[in-house]
Amino acid sequence: NAGVTQTPKFQVLKTGQSMTLQCAQDMNHEYMSWYRQDPGMGLRLIHYSVGAGITDQGEVPNGYNVSRSTTEDFPLRLLSAAPSQTSVYFCASSARDKSLYGYTFGSGTRLTVV
Amino acid sequence: EDQVTQSPEALRLQEGESSSLNCSYTVSGLRGLFWYRQDPGKGPEFLFTLYSAGEEKEKERLKATLTKKESFLHITAPKPEDSATYLCAVRESWGKFQFGAGTQVVVTP
Repeated sequence: NAGVTQTPKFQVLKTGQSMTLQCAQDMNHEYMSWYRQDPGMGLRLIHYSVGAGITDQGEVPNGYNVSRSTTEDFPLRLLSAAPSQTSVYFCASSARDKSLYGYTFGSGTRLTVV
Repeated sequence: EDQVTQSPEALRLQEGESSSLNCSYTVSGLRGLFWYRQDPGKGPEFLFTLYSAGEEKEKERLKATLTKKESFLHITAPKPEDSATYLCAVRESWGKFQFGAGTQVVVTP
């Protein structure tokens, strides 16, 4: 039972580089989301999806892209990395009919942009 | 816009010293208030969901309560293993949640 798997766990990027943070879940959850966590600011929603082919913006979407071609995968793309994107990124999922149970979170990706 | 505010930001307790954390919220219509625990270097772990004022949930030394404007997480006779950051969140719509900044709890022996 893998749950939500995020890769990589750590990444250092140079300003202007692009990369994709991977997120996969094996629980057949409809809902998936990406959050970033910064000290003193809690978790802020970047993008979310309520099903394959459906995505929407959260609170801080600028500089990030997502797509959801399958139920299992929800990659987050950084188009041109900036130091302000240094953060810890969490992917999370939940089942539509069990949303009372909240999210299952991955273990996070710690990203540093230099 | 929905807002979630947690207090205090940090709490230091002696083992056995009970206390409460606060989560106040402003939402147009509550669709669920959620509590999570987060250990350093890990993702948040779900604890409780509360849906209506007056509702209470318990798990070991933790008890969550809900009123119309706030929720409390009571920690009774805490142990060092209860040290963590506790996050609350409200659900804005299906699949979309807003989180507070969290309360960092340290329990010393």
